[in-house]
Amino acid sequence: GAGVSQSPSNKVTEKGKDVELRCDPISGHTALYWYRQRLGQGLEFLIYFQGNSAPDKSGLPSDRFSAERTGESVSTLTIQRTQQEDSAVYLCASRSSGSPITGELFFGEGSRLTVL
Amino acid sequence: AQSVAQPEDQVKVAEGNPLTVKCTYSVSGNPYLFWYVQYPNRGLQFLLKYITGDNLVKGSYGFEAEFNKSQTSFHLKKPSALVSDSALYFCAVRVPNDYKLSFGAGTTVTVRA
Repeated sequence: GAGVSQSPSNKVTEKGKDVELRCDPISGHTALYWYRQRLGQGLEFLIYFQGNSAPDKSGLPSDRFSAERTGESVSTLTIQRTQQEDSAVYLCASRSSGSPITGELFFGEGSRLTVL
Repeated sequence: AQSVAQPEDQVKVAEGNPLTVKCTYSVSGNPYLFWYVQYPNRGLQFLLKYITGDNLVKGSYGFEAEFNKSQTSFHLKKPSALVSDSALYFCAVRVPNDYKLSFGAGTTVTVRA
């Protein structure tokens, strides 16, 4: 597709359940980011993938959070044993390899997670 | 560590009036600065960036921003605001050799007709 695609757009789950969020980046973009946006707050960095390099997981808030990426394509963010404080919009972004520092990020529309 | 501050949670202006959204940053080294806009229930869209060179940067939808190194600021401006500019605006910063983009908390802009 032309842009970053995320699914599901909305997810309502019960506390304690596992959820999986998917991101399909722009074709050819080697860099992929996950951010979390809580209501009324800025974007919180979660994880970064660059090609086949080891991902930077330094932003993951707990060991209940994990993410994977297959090569330079789809990424999944998994949250195990969800808690109410996990409720947020999870944004995925990709960037081309041509400008690793100066290049802008292209964002998907996000996955809104509500934990009851 | 790098950080960005957007001192105003909300900015309200009348259509046709100038619009300014403030951003200040704190980094070690030369900053790369970005502005993004988020419309309701949408992802963030890139507006403009400052990397080097001319301190006045022009971007999408008639927006511009001025990099001021002495004041460590990168304020977003539009000479004549439109109702359709009503949205959430984010300032972001990155430093050389760091791929992470650090975002401010965002400023909600409301342009009234």
